[in-house]
Formats: sequence, C-alpha cells, structure tokens
Amino acid sequence: GEDVEQSLFLSVREGDSSVINCTYTDSSSTYLYWYKQEPGAGLQLLTYIFSNMDMKQDQRLTVLLNKKDKHLSLRIADTQTGDSAIYFCAENNAGNMLTFGGGTRLMVKP
Amino acid sequence: NAGVTQTPKFRVLKTGQSMTLLCAQDMNHEYMYWYRQDPGMGLRLIHYSVGEGTTAKGEVPDGYNVSRLKKQNFLLGLESAAPSQTSVYFCAISRPAGTDTQYFGPGTRLTVL
Repeated sequence: GEDVEQSLFLSVREGDSSVINCTYTDSSSTYLYWYKQEPGAGLQLLTYIFSNMDMKQDQRLTVLLNKKDKHLSLRIADTQTGDSAIYFCAENNAGNMLTFGGGTRLMVKP
Repeated sequence: NAGVTQTPKFRVLKTGQSMTLLCAQDMNHEYMYWYRQDPGMGLRLIHYSVGEGTTAKGEVPDGYNVSRLKKQNFLLGLESAAPSQTSVYFCAISRPAGTDTQYFGPGTRLTVL
C-alpha cells in the first residue's frame, strides 16, 4: 500500500531557507504535490512536480524529486513569517486519488 | 465564484445524533471528495464521487454515507455520530486527471461529545 511520511516540525529564522522533506512509497505516482494549510483554513496547492522531472522552481519555491530514493523536498528561499503553516506532500494514485503525508508544521521566527 | 463551500463551519453533536455536511461547488468539476483531518495524520479519504449519481469508498468509509444527486453538491452523512468522528472534514473537487489537482473547501469542524 501507499504511505507518505514527513517530519512533524521545522523551525527556521526569518530570511533563512527552509527545507521540508517527504518520502513516499508508490513508484507509479505520476505527480507529487505540495500543499500549504494556514490555521483554520483548507489546503492550498503550492506547487507540483511531474514524476519524470528532477527539479522544479517557482519563484521562492524549489521542488526536488529523487525517484530512486522516493524522496521529495520543498525548499522555500528567504522564508518569511507569512510562510508559517503546515505543509503537506501528496502523491497521486490511479483515478486521481491523493495520499497525503501527515504534514510538517513550519514555524518562522522573526 | 466561490469555488468550494462547506456547510456548516462548526458543529457539536451528542453521541448517537445524526447530521449531514454539505459541499457545494461552482466550478463544474466532475470529481468530489470527502476527507477527514486528524492531528499528525494528514488527510484521509472517506468517500468520493466521479460524477453525478456515483459514489465510492475511500480509505476510512465506516460510519459515513454519501450522496451525489446533483453534480454541484456532495453530501456526507453521519447516521449515528461517535466521539471517534470528532475531526475536521474537508471537501475537495477536481477534474478527472492530469495536473489539475484537487481544490479544497474551508473545512467543517465537528465535535462529538
């Protein structure tokens, strides 16, 4: 079965880079996603990467994918206090079903 | 264009009571989903629908029923609520496949006493 794992917590200082890691098990996933959840809100899609790509950059966000190790990471450059949130990685399965990790709570200290 | 809306936002039930959560969308997407979110466990899929009149079980369907009588609405029912169903419930929508991923509603916080 599929399982997606993330570390629970990350704390960084404002202006530093944040790296959030994720491991997954379903090698047949076509897309992998990063979602952001702010307090009291639903999940907001941040970015995604197609499984045949190694890297994707979108402004301050860089996604790295290592298919051999089934490892996905999200790097946030110049982290701001507004980036404080819970970040979920997710992989898609057949029929566009998503399997989510447990989420990483990012805390940005001023 | 509201996207995905959920009703109600909050609810407190007593054990054994029933209730229905409503998800409504105005984006004309085929697929709709109900998830529950519990601390440290991410989102788990309860039921989903790939089109009007169709429903299917997800990862944790027990204790819940769903209906998709109209394309724009997806209802989640609890016939006899239990404390284990205390959670935050999210509805999501998507197109059938491809890069167009799931769009989420704001959530319903349910407490069962």
